[in-house]
Amino acid sequence: GQQLNQSPQSMFIQEGEDVSMNCTSSSIFNTWLWYKQDPGEGPVLLIALYKAGELTSNGRLTAQFGITRKDSFLNISASIPSDVGIYFCAGSNNNDMRFGAGTRLTVKP
Amino acid sequence: DAGVIQSPRHEVTEMGQEVTLRCKPISGHDYLFWYRQTMMRGLELLIYFNNNVPIDDSGMPEDRFSAKMPNASFSTLKIQPSEPRDSAVYFCASRRGSEPHGYTFGSGTRLTVV
Repeated sequence: GQQLNQSPQSMFIQEGEDVSMNCTSSSIFNTWLWYKQDPGEGPVLLIALYKAGELTSNGRLTAQFGITRKDSFLNISASIPSDVGIYFCAGSNNNDMRFGAGTRLTVKP
Repeated sequence: DAGVIQSPRHEVTEMGQEVTLRCKPISGHDYLFWYRQTMMRGLELLIYFNNNVPIDDSGMPEDRFSAKMPNASFSTLKIQPSEPRDSAVYFCASRRGSEPHGYTFGSGTRLTVV
C-alpha cells in the first residue's frame, strides 16, 4: 500500500526558531495536507495543497507540494510555545487519505 | 456547529467484551470515516461511508470489527470480542463532498482493553 515517510520524528527547539519537516511517498498523490494534533484531540487541518509545485502560506506556516507529487514540506517560522503538538502530513487520492507517522514538536520558552 | 461528536471519550473494557463506539457527524456532511491511531501504526483508515453506504472497508482489521451507519447523523464501530491489541484511539471524521480539505475530526475515543 501507499507509505508516507515523515521526518523528523521529533524536534526540540527554542522559541523563536524556525521549523522544517517533510514527507515523502513512494506513490503519487493528488492532494497533500498538513494537520496538527493537540493532546486529547483529533487532527486539525492547517494547510491543503492541490497542485504540484504549489507553495501556500497560512500565517507563520508555509507548505509546498513537491513537483513530483511524491513529497511535501511544512515550515513554521518564529515558533511560539503554542506550536507544540504533533504535525501530520497526509496524502489524498479521492477518498483514500493516508497519514505520515507524525512529527512531535516541543518548543522551549 | 458542534463539530463531529464521539462517545464515549474513554472506554476501558475487559478482553472478550463487546465495545461500541459512536459518532455523530456534522450535519450536511455526506462522508464519514473511521480511523484508528496507535503509536506503532499511526493513523489508519478503517472504513468510510458515503450517504450512509459503506464504500471501502478494506482497512477493517478483522471480522471482529464492524461498522454501521443507519442514518445520516449516526454511525457505530463495534468490536466483538475485544482484544488487548485493539487498544488505541479511534477517530471519526466527516466531510461534505469530495474535497479532502473538508475533513473534520472528532476528539476520539480512547479504548483500553485489559
